[in-house]
Amino acid sequence: GAVVSQHPSRVICKSGTSVKIECRSLDFQATTMFWYRQFPKQSLMLMATSNEGSKATYEQGVEKDKFLINHASLTLSTLTVTSAHPEDSSFYICSARRLARETQYFGPGTRLLVL
Amino acid sequence: AQSVTQLGSHVSVSEGALVLLRCNYSSSVPPYLFWYVQYPNQGLQLLLKYTTGATLVKGINGFEAEFKKSETSFHLTKPSAHMSDAAEYFCAVRLTPGVGNEKLTFGTGTRLTIIP
Repeated sequence: GAVVSQHPSRVICKSGTSVKIECRSLDFQATTMFWYRQFPKQSLMLMATSNEGSKATYEQGVEKDKFLINHASLTLSTLTVTSAHPEDSSFYICSARRLARETQYFGPGTRLLVL
Repeated sequence: AQSVTQLGSHVSVSEGALVLLRCNYSSSVPPYLFWYVQYPNQGLQLLLKYTTGATLVKGINGFEAEFKKSETSFHLTKPSAHMSDAAEYFCAVRLTPGVGNEKLTFGTGTRLTIIP
C-alpha cells in the first residue's frame, strides 16, 4: 500500500519560533499533497492543497504567510509554521495522492505544542 | 458544495455486537464516499471507499458500507465488534474527479467504544 510519513511526530517549541514539518510519500510519487489541522476531539480541517512545482492553494481563513507550504518534489512537501504562537498548537496531518482519481493516503500526524 | 453529517459523536457497543455508524452526505453531483479510522495520536487509515459500481463496499477489518443514493447515506457496519475496533471514525465525501472540487470534506467523527 501507499505509505506517507511525517517528521517530526511531535515537536515542542517556544512562542515566536518557526517549525518545519515534513511530509513524504515513501513508495509513490505524489502530484498533490494536502495539509490538515485537527483540534482535540474535532474533525480534520483542510488548510491547503499543494501541487508539485506550483504554489499552494490555501483555504479561506488560513494565513499563507504564517503557514508556508513548499512542494518541491514529487515525494516531499513541507509545512512551516512561522512565528508560532500557543494558539497554533494542534495536530497537523498531511495526505498525498498520485492522481486526481485516486485515494488520499494520510501521514501519521505531527503534534505541535507551542509554549 | 458537499457536506457530511455523522449522527452520534459517541457510540458504545458490546464486544461481539453489531456496529453501526451513520453517515449522511449532501452533494450536488455523484460523490465519492470514504470511511477512515483514526487511532489515538495517529493519522487516518482508509477503511473503505465508494466510487462507482457496486453499492455495497467491503473494507478492511471486516467493515462494510452501503451507498444508498435515495437516502443520501453511507452507513458503516461490522457484524461483530472487537475490542481493537475502538477508535474514532470519520466519514468523508468528495466530488467525482473532473467536476472541479478535489477536496475531501470530513464529518465531525464518531468515537466508537467497545464494552467488554
